[in-house]
Amino acid sequence: DAKTTQPTSMDCAEGRAANLPCNHSTISGNEYVYWYRQIHSQGPQYIIHGLKNNETNEMASLIITEDRKSSTLILPHATLRDTAVYYCIVRVASNFGNEKLTFGTGTRLTIIP
Amino acid sequence: GAGVSQSPSNKVTEKGKDVELRCDPISGHTALYWYRQRLGQGLEFLIYFQGNSAPDKSGLPSDRFSAERTGESVSTLTIQRTQQEDSAVYLCASSLYRTGGSYNEQFFGPGTRLTVL
Repeated sequence: DAKTTQPTSMDCAEGRAANLPCNHSTISGNEYVYWYRQIHSQGPQYIIHGLKNNETNEMASLIITEDRKSSTLILPHATLRDTAVYYCIVRVASNFGNEKLTFGTGTRLTIIP
Repeated sequence: GAGVSQSPSNKVTEKGKDVELRCDPISGHTALYWYRQRLGQGLEFLIYFQGNSAPDKSGLPSDRFSAERTGESVSTLTIQRTQQEDSAVYLCASSLYRTGGSYNEQFFGPGTRLTVL
């Protein structure tokens, strides 16, 4: 699985868009980008994933550059409940159902009131 | 409906003792994972169960670690002769099992915080 690089921490004002970058310059053609987050003292929570097209769901948007070497997770209107550690993961999608995950240390996002 | 539950939420034990950690997955989720998260670090995969298939044990750090799953429900992670380096939060996750392109989102429990003195 390709290695990812994320900033250690970021702050964002409440109500503003939070933009979390992730570099994955060694990504392969069949590797997806996944985002999970972990709120303090809870288990991780899936946010979104994508291959090459931009994706949007009720939680966030995922923007992947054309060369796929980096991506940005966007939380459009950050709230205090979005304070968490955000993990960017790059891996091949499994055709056999085993989607075991390995997280790095992620980005600690703090939403400022 | 109910999410993934784990018990106990906290466990303090003495070095050398055995511990059992329990996971109740979401009903209908045939895939189950165990992970470990040391303080300030990311997630380490331990073991994966899917139906009656042989489990993927590739992440177990030593033979002191083992896990079982009863059918498609409860799983137990056992650590024998615990060591201080086993101190961590142990997380369980479950998911549906769909092949052929669907992403099987993992739903995590709150974890069991294990402290080995």
